[in-house]
Amino acid sequence: EVQLVESGGGLVQPGRSMKLSCAASGFTFNNYDMAWVCQAPKKGLEWVATISYDGSSTYYRDSVKGRFTISRDNAKSTLYLQMDSLRSEDTATYYCAREIPFFDYWGQGVMVTVSS
Amino acid sequence: DIQMTQSPASLSASLEEIVTITCQASQDIGNWLAWYQQKPGKSPQLLIYGATSLADGVPSRFSGSRSGTQYSLKISRLQVEDPGIYYCLQGYSAPWTFGGGTKLELK
Repeated sequence: EVQLVESGGGLVQPGRSMKLSCAASGFTFNNYDMAWVCQAPKKGLEWVATISYDGSSTYYRDSVKGRFTISRDNAKSTLYLQMDSLRSEDTATYYCAREIPFFDYWGQGVMVTVSS
Repeated sequence: DIQMTQSPASLSASLEEIVTITCQASQDIGNWLAWYQQKPGKSPQLLIYGATSLADGVPSRFSGSRSGTQYSLKISRLQVEDPGIYYCLQGYSAPWTFGGGTKLELK
């Protein structure tokens, strides 16, 4: 059974950093591209970033370029999202997802609240 | 960026009724279109991929179709477990973009 379990969310002040993790199991992690998708409270879904199966390529939405870094550790079957210079508009639930390129499996999500 | 215009924003339907939700792409995306269902407090679930292919475990009352750059999700006979928010997603070119969502309620 495919499982994606996010961790690392919480309350953070504007301008500070936070790192999210996503532990994957039930599939061969290093065969798949992976992504982060976010959802602001009561809003729709937005793709945030994608990393290729081997980590050699990364893609970001414009609003997070230069602030967020997606990475992966295939030996640990874990996906990461390093979020720097956080803004109030980054407040959202962040989901990790397997990308085929559609997102076929999603984690349960982790809430990030950026507020002073 | 490719814009996905989803309609209606909300709808109310009765049990056993046929429901159709549409997404209009701002440019040709071929069959690179997926549909998701999201229930309150839950992560989205893939329903349809490749515009018309049913995802594993999804009931056959769900179907997808395409006409040019317009894509449709049809629920043939609405069931009590079907209310939620439905989203389309284009996977043709980055940035991947979702439609604004359709909130489906039972009448």
